[in-house]
Amino acid sequence: LAKTTQPISMDSYEGQEVNITCSHNNIATNDYITWYQQFPSQGPRFIIQGYKTKVTNEVASLFIPADRKSSTLSLPRVSLSDTAVYYCLVGERAPETYSGAGSYQLTFGKGTKLSVIP
Amino acid sequence: DTAVSQTPKYLVTQMGNDKSIKCEQNLGHDTMYWYKQDSKKFLKIMFSYNNKELIINETVPNRFSPKSPDKAHLNLHINSLELGDSAVYFCASSQGFDRVGEKLFFGSGTQLSVL
Repeated sequence: LAKTTQPISMDSYEGQEVNITCSHNNIATNDYITWYQQFPSQGPRFIIQGYKTKVTNEVASLFIPADRKSSTLSLPRVSLSDTAVYYCLVGERAPETYSGAGSYQLTFGKGTKLSVIP
Repeated sequence: DTAVSQTPKYLVTQMGNDKSIKCEQNLGHDTMYWYKQDSKKFLKIMFSYNNKELIINETVPNRFSPKSPDKAHLNLHINSLELGDSAVYFCASSQGFDRVGEKLFFGSGTQLSVL
């Protein structure tokens, strides 16, 4: 299944903008790029999703270049409460030989542990 | 109102015991999942059900048996617990299972510790 590569960890001071880049060289033509956030002792939470160019919501922005082989999650002016693990995901249609043939599979990688420092 | 709720939050038990984790979603979603997050924080899918039918069954020991009485509930029963089963188990749901860009909604997890 499609895989992603992102930095294992990042540190940032409060108030700074944080950019986390993810590589997904094998992304399928019709697939989306999705980012999740996980706080300690909680389940992952959807942050943002995009297909190409730029997407912005109240939490973050997502920049996707034309070749779509990478994406960058941008968190403006981070605070201590943004300390979390951030996962970049791309999905893939499960092959016919797979137990979930035809299903849309999301595979979580190791994520990027963001530590915001006061 | 919690969208995806699972119980218990913590489960401490002895090797060899049988235990269950319950999950319920009130989002009206058709698809539910069980994920396992190990000590290295890898999050791996275990099972997926769509409208009470099993659609994904990863390479998981058959000591793990999911049960979906209706599409809003997906419970996980584990027989003969082993030390290696210690992990955080997350329930999740999504609207469907075959649409590109499907979004997952997770519960807060069940920390299972096998002694």
